[in-house]
Amino acid sequence: SALTQPASVSGSPGQSITISCTGTSSDVGGYHYVSWYQQPPGKAPKRMIYDVNKRPSGVSNRFSGSKSGNTASLTISGLQAEDEAEYYCCSYTSRTTLVFGGGTKLTVL
Amino acid sequence: QVHLVQSGAEVKKPGASVKVSCKASGYNFSTYGFTWVRQGPGQGLEWMGWIAKSGNTNYAQEFQGRVTMTLDTSTSTVYMELENLTSDDTAIYYCARDLVDFDYWGQGTLVSVSS
Repeated sequence: SALTQPASVSGSPGQSITISCTGTSSDVGGYHYVSWYQQPPGKAPKRMIYDVNKRPSGVSNRFSGSKSGNTASLTISGLQAEDEAEYYCCSYTSRTTLVFGGGTKLTVL
Repeated sequence: QVHLVQSGAEVKKPGASVKVSCKASGYNFSTYGFTWVRQGPGQGLEWMGWIAKSGNTNYAQEFQGRVTMTLDTSTSTVYMELENLTSDDTAIYYCARDLVDFDYWGQGTLVSVSS
């Protein structure tokens, strides 16, 4: 089943927010293959974090990832209006499949 | 630079099949596999399966027996065919490069299923 994310989070410009992604020991907790995607309305997803905490070139260092047990987290610091989007986590699983979270809508107040 | 360009929107009747293409450019096609992800109206992302660079496939259980992913190395194109469509298959279908995390995505193909 889908990984668990909060439906929505919000923050003011300049603040930091964290989005959680909870799975099980068969997915998030068992592998280092957690990635995060940003999807603005009407656009294709964009990779922001891979392998739990690696940031692709070109992605702002305001984005960071971490994991503790069965929960992964995406933190965005210095929130900007352009960060407003839907965010999805994704994990490899013990069944050699991939599973996404339900998505979190980030609103910049 | 890397580009994945998908085929255009499709309208299908229930019971029909659809084949979506994804043409890659800007890198050596043979060095990466592909993943297909779909997104229903107002819904989240759903993993459908992947096809490795070898041609080996791994499909989500929900689509087993109904989906086929193939590679055409001569045209650097990957295909996803979904059979026996129902209204629940109305969605945007995305191709993405690689198997575990997806560094490049196609623009998406809207497939509408309606009688």
